[in-house]
Amino acid sequence: GDSVTQMEGPVTLSEEAFLTINCTYTATGYPSLFWYVQYPGEGLQLLLKATKADDKGSNKGFEATYRKETTSFHLEKGSVQVSDSAVYFCALSDQGAQKLVFGQGTRLTINP
Amino acid sequence: GAVVSQHPSRVICKSGTSVKIECRSLDFQATTMFWYRQFPKQSLMLMATSNEGSKATYEQGVEKDKFLINHASLTLSTLTVTSAHPEDSSFYICSARWGAGDGTQYFGPGTRLLVL
Repeated sequence: GDSVTQMEGPVTLSEEAFLTINCTYTATGYPSLFWYVQYPGEGLQLLLKATKADDKGSNKGFEATYRKETTSFHLEKGSVQVSDSAVYFCALSDQGAQKLVFGQGTRLTINP
Repeated sequence: GAVVSQHPSRVICKSGTSVKIECRSLDFQATTMFWYRQFPKQSLMLMATSNEGSKATYEQGVEKDKFLINHASLTLSTLTVTSAHPEDSSFYICSARWGAGDGTQYFGPGTRLLVL
């Protein structure tokens, strides 16, 4: 079945550091790929998405590129802020499927 | 756009009582709504999928008589935890989408349930 694997956390960085959170997937067909962010005590917010190979999703300084050849969708940000501290979930939605398949989440802490 | 609300945000109840959680799509018509459960520091576990006007489809291992889901309109779904017990204490999150599209789901802020 479809699956998503994220780099294990927690990840701790200093403010203004470069961020990469790795995400790889296994799926049949051509899934859509997503990054969601969850702040403490809240639901998930859609951060960015990409629906086909080589698409780049971007939002709030974050970006991720849909790489079909490596089945990856790594999240990057050039300069993180304390306010980026949260849990980040990579997810996929296969063609025709209603469900989202989530990775295990990566907890990110940014220190001032 | 694409705002989903949940009510209540937090509820405490006694063991044996039933609790209803509402999920509303505020600015779009949700043809499909989803209910998830999240344990501390874990990912989301899909409980069920509901389409407006149809019976919910439950994931394997989720008791449909325990977790009653109703999707009576295109903007409202409810989850009722019947005869709640302490092990039902959790963070419940709903999401909604319209049409099939690219699979994007929009999530509510979650409801924290504590059963004493």
